[in-house]
Amino acid sequence: ETGVTQSPTHLIKTRGQQVTLRCSSQSGHNTVSWYQQALGQGPQFIFQYYREEENGRGNFPPRFSGLQFPNYSSELNVNALELDDSALYLCASSQLGRTGRGGGTDTQYFGPGTRLTVL
Amino acid sequence: AQRVTQPEKLLSVFKGAPVELKCNYSYSGSPELFWYVQYSRQRLQLLLRHISRESIKGFTADLNKGETSFHLKKPFAQEEDSAMYYCALTNIAYDKVIFGPGTSLSVIP
Repeated sequence: ETGVTQSPTHLIKTRGQQVTLRCSSQSGHNTVSWYQQALGQGPQFIFQYYREEENGRGNFPPRFSGLQFPNYSSELNVNALELDDSALYLCASSQLGRTGRGGGTDTQYFGPGTRLTVL
Repeated sequence: AQRVTQPEKLLSVFKGAPVELKCNYSYSGSPELFWYVQYSRQRLQLLLRHISRESIKGFTADLNKGETSFHLKKPFAQEEDSAMYYCALTNIAYDKVIFGPGTSLSVIP
């Protein structure tokens, strides 16, 4: 069984640039959730992808977007980077919908995170 | 508004002493509550969830709907319990998870 992986480990961007972060879900999982964790705070939910569709979204502006691929890996894209976007970005995979959409029960398995610094 | 609060940012206890990490929530509906833990240099991982009603590593947590609390307890703290603990909740659809700000537990030998 392969765990959740994220790439890159860390990166540095400047204001106004765009960034793409990647997440490979755990084998057998069909759902990926993305979180932003600023220093000293808990993870903040960005959005979730279930079987290639956005399944839920937190209070983040549209410049935060994502994709999920047929193999259930996922990307988080952030456009027009701002200084406040500097944070640790976590993805978590899970297996939802054993009894149909919304009938999930399973644990989220987290990746190691990508540390983004915006200068 | 949906939120999770953890009033203590830092908590220090002596080894062998009881520990209680507080968690309160506000949510309209019936949430599912979790405790996640992050040990030093490790990933965030699930510790326990209220629907399982199980004890993990000696920790238990009881959901008190009247007080909207889900405090984490352990009768005798161990040094290996030192970690960051996050309380979290999700809705029935599991399409959004709200985390608290976390409590850093330090167990003094």
